[in-house]
Amino acid sequence: DSGVTQTPKHLITATGQRVTLRCSPRSGDLSVYWYQQSLDQGLQFLIQYYNGEERAKGNILERFSAQQFPDLHSELNLSSLELGDSALYFCASTKTGGAGNTIYFGEGSWLTVV
Amino acid sequence: DQQVKQNSPSLSVQEGRISILNCDYTNSMFDYFLWYKKYPAEGPTFLISISSIKDKNEDGRFTVFLNKSAKHLSLHIVPSQPGDSAVYFCAALRAGSYQLTFGKGTKLSVIP
Repeated sequence: DSGVTQTPKHLITATGQRVTLRCSPRSGDLSVYWYQQSLDQGLQFLIQYYNGEERAKGNILERFSAQQFPDLHSELNLSSLELGDSALYFCASTKTGGAGNTIYFGEGSWLTVV
Repeated sequence: DQQVKQNSPSLSVQEGRISILNCDYTNSMFDYFLWYKKYPAEGPTFLISISSIKDKNEDGRFTVFLNKSAKHLSLHIVPSQPGDSAVYFCAALRAGSYQLTFGKGTKLSVIP
């Protein structure tokens, strides 16, 4: 158990819909990362938050957005869903978000768009 | 453009033998490298890392070698055990950056 909690574990939804994935970081960790793992792309960095503020942005689509709340949990919002958005979405956390920190991953939220 | 490449999607090794997983990178700004192991239905777990100022780091059965001039790193597992069967991801970090760049992973199967 990494200490990073993600909900829901599985989600099936239709194209055009909107979903929210939730992440609770490890206790004491201020930085949260979101990654997408699709079959052909491997793990792709989406976005990072540190203590409530966006710190870095990766290959995140405009249809996607995220935020980190004062209690440090984070949500990833995916809208106007397309079939290609079907993937495993991982949340990860670190204490400070700096280079060299060990990054702990949650078990992922598996999204299937039909 | 994939900056971290794991060219072998899968690898099978006999129990007790050495497993060697390879990773190549193209970005010379990467200065910290990590290996993660992932079991089905679980998130990746950190295994071992190496800074670019070193060429070798060892932790028990796991050793990571870094060849900066070749932009190549490898993970050696000796001896391999059936419980090592998992997908292994190579990841890299740029100095001052906060985001990992992952390879696509190599699925290791250790045959009893």
